[in-house]
Amino acid sequence: DQQVKQNSPSLSVQEGRISILNCDYTNSMFDYFLWYKKYPAEGPTFLISISSIKDKNEDGRFTVFLNKSAKHLSLHIVPSQPGDSAVYFCAASITGNQFYFGTGTSLTVIP
Amino acid sequence: GAGVSQTPSNKVTEKGKYVELRCDPISGHTALYWYRQSLGQGPEFLIYFQGTGAADDSGLPNDRFFAVRPEGSVSTLKIQRTERGDSAVYLCASSRTSGPQETQYFGPGTRLLVL
Repeated sequence: DQQVKQNSPSLSVQEGRISILNCDYTNSMFDYFLWYKKYPAEGPTFLISISSIKDKNEDGRFTVFLNKSAKHLSLHIVPSQPGDSAVYFCAASITGNQFYFGTGTSLTVIP
Repeated sequence: GAGVSQTPSNKVTEKGKYVELRCDPISGHTALYWYRQSLGQGPEFLIYFQGTGAADDSGLPNDRFFAVRPEGSVSTLKIQRTERGDSAVYLCASSRTSGPQETQYFGPGTRLLVL
């Protein structure tokens, strides 16, 4: 039973444009959400997080939006750069220890 | 400083054999996590340690899987009587301590193939 879903397996964006990656979840008890970025043959690296008490968190080119009523979060990358090409996972947690991951979205930024 | 390291990077074994996968967390990190990532899926939680004790092992799929962390640092994930379905990348992560908003730092993973 997939509690965190990323319905777009892949996304291609032109360099300089905005990348929007989406994530949906089913468990309303989730209170902490993260985005991880993963390059081939490496482990995921933390990108940005958001607590359920907020609806937006920004860090440089990366912004995460949380819509609790829709059980939806999104990651915006602007402007997109070729080095952003990677697989992006969203993850959600209740206790902050056991995280449920989505299946990932492969982002390709075209120079 | 050094990140999370995992050995071996690749492991090929035969069905029914026993395997051990090792994780060296970041020095000083008290929390350690094991995940399994099957092809086309996201990481799936297996077990988490706070210090030497397993604080949550609810993700272990069955009793063939076991993990230890005897001195609160290095951890070993042990799989008995391996099955082809155990083939996956096994990821380890550590964090400074447990709890929300503690960033988990992942190792590169061990790719296990059971023939």
